[in-house]
Formats: sequence, C-alpha cells, structure tokens
Amino acid sequence: AQSVTQPDIHITVSEGASLELRCNYSYGATPYLFWYVQSPGQGLQLLLKYFSGDTLVQGIKGFEAEFKRSQSSFNLRKPSVHWSDAAEYFCAVALSGNTGKLIFGQGTTLQVKP
Amino acid sequence: GAGVSQSPRYKVAKRGQDVALRCDPISGHVSLFWYQQALGQGPEFLTYFQNEAQLDKSGLPSDRFFAERPEGSVSTLKIQRTQQEDSAVYLCASSSPGGGDYGYTFGSGTRLTVV
Repeated sequence: AQSVTQPDIHITVSEGASLELRCNYSYGATPYLFWYVQSPGQGLQLLLKYFSGDTLVQGIKGFEAEFKRSQSSFNLRKPSVHWSDAAEYFCAVALSGNTGKLIFGQGTTLQVKP
Repeated sequence: GAGVSQSPRYKVAKRGQDVALRCDPISGHVSLFWYQQALGQGPEFLTYFQNEAQLDKSGLPSDRFFAERPEGSVSTLKIQRTQQEDSAVYLCASSSPGGGDYGYTFGSGTRLTVV
C-alpha cells in the first residue's frame, strides 16, 4: 500500500538557520509529490509540488524540495528560516491517474527559536 | 466565494448525536474532497465528488458517515450516532475543473469534539 513517512515529528531551529524536513514515500510508480503547511486553526496551504521533470522544485515562501527516486525521498528545504515559518508541515503523495486523493504523512511540527 | 468555506467552525456533540458539517467550495470547482484529521496526525481521505457524483467513498470509516453534494456545489458530511473516536478536524478541499493539476484549495476545517 502507498504510504508517506515523515521521520521527524518535531524539529526546532534557530531563526536564520537552514532547514530540512524529511519525507519518504512508498509507491511503485513515480508519484505526484506535495508539501503543505498548516498554521494553527488554518487549512492546508500548498508550498510546492512535483509531477515530473526537473527534480529540484521551487515553491512559495522561499521553500524548495528535491525528488530523489533512488531514495524514495522528497525533502523540503529552506536556506534561512523566519519566525513566521513555525507551523506544521505535511508531505503528501497523489496516485497518478486516479481520483486525485492525497495520502499524507503524519506531519512535522517546526518550532523556530529567536 | 474567494475560498473554501466550512461551517460550523467548531462543533461539540454529545455521544450518540447526529451532526452535519457543511462545505461551500470555490465557485466552479468540479472536484470536492473530504478529509479527517485526528489530533497530531495528517489528514486522511474520506470521500471524493466530481460534480454531484460521489466517485470514491473508500475512506469513510463506517456506515455512520454519509456525504452528499446534490447540486454539484455545496457538500454536507453527516455523521450519525457520533462516537468519541469521531473527534477530529474535518477538512474540505476543492479543485479547479478536472483537478488535473491537483490545485486543491483547503478550507479551515470544522473541529468536531464528541463528549
């Protein structure tokens, strides 16, 4: 069965430091991959997505992610974290060719220290 | 509307009570999804509509859960005889015609607490 694993439940970084959030997926074919951010009491906001082509994807708010087929990974990165980036981050996979439903990881909570 | 609107924002139900959660998608969006997000977990798929047709309801956890979208716009998720394990945030998402680019817009959700 398809699954998404986010190994880090909670990460704390200092403001201005770099960030990498890990995501591994289990899926036979090339999946469609997504990163979403959720602030408290808010809905999910799409940061970026990967369907095909260039494996380094740029998103909003200065985030990027790299698809590595050999490692079944799609890690999210940001070179310099801002206090406003503190939130919950979800990696998700969509199964190509089906209804488009998303399978989410359990999320990583990002805390930013001043 | 400008975004996906969900109501109520919060709902407290006594165990055994029936509840109805409403989702008003972005005008013109063909696809509509419901997800359930338990505390500390990622969202889990419940059901999917394309216009008024419910094409996938494989994620509905039991026959107590029922969703409809009779006119292809507003959708209602109904939970009968609520149980404590139904406590969660229920998220609705809609996407642009065809949904081929997975351009989902999520609502802010309804937080259901069953006491």
